[in-house]
Amino acid sequence: EPEVTQTPSHQVTQMGQEVILRCVPISNHLYFYWYRQILGQKVEFLVSFYNNEISEKSEIFDDQFSVERPDGSNFTLKIRSTKLEDSAMYFCASTAGGPGQYFGPGTRLTVT
Amino acid sequence: AQTVTQSQPEMSVQEAETVTLSCTYDTSESDYYLFWYKQPPSRQMILVIRQEAYKQQNATENRFSVNFQKAAKSFSLKISDSQLGDAAMYFCAYRNYGGSQGNLIFGKGTKLSVKP
Repeated sequence: EPEVTQTPSHQVTQMGQEVILRCVPISNHLYFYWYRQILGQKVEFLVSFYNNEISEKSEIFDDQFSVERPDGSNFTLKIRSTKLEDSAMYFCASTAGGPGQYFGPGTRLTVT
Repeated sequence: AQTVTQSQPEMSVQEAETVTLSCTYDTSESDYYLFWYKQPPSRQMILVIRQEAYKQQNATENRFSVNFQKAAKSFSLKISDSQLGDAAMYFCAYRNYGGSQGNLIFGKGTKLSVKP
């Protein structure tokens, strides 16, 4: 069964550094999302992406964040200058157009 | 803005028994989707079941079923014949109906423990 994959599974970075989180959505899916979950808290929406542009973004998704689909398979989330409060699990999700979103296993980002 | 509330931070059930997890939501929309996601210790988010608001019939997936009360804005998850592998965080989520791009709005989750 096809699944969403994410790399790396765990990323440790120093405050102020740039990080890129990578996702490979399910191949026939057209809509892509990033969510984050701070430890012990609920999952929060960051951004949605369709047809090579951002469809919607939350208040969390400020100028430090950007997304890109550099080729036909990858979908990336970049954080330009990481802060301690960016430490969280980051989930990528995708859908072909139906209501259910399929999540990847997540990348755990630790900012020190 | 839509909100999702899960009032039970933790629940416990004996193996083979039945447990019900509660979820309420607030929206002014008439058409929307509701979901339950499971997050085991691996932290992967797994879609368990979904309900379309325009459907009166409650969704069922094997041992998982929902009790959808649209007027009360309630969406509970019933797990029958609980198994040890059901132990996880369970998140209720809402999505607007319009378009295919809607993001999910999650509740804070309920941690389910299953006792052998």
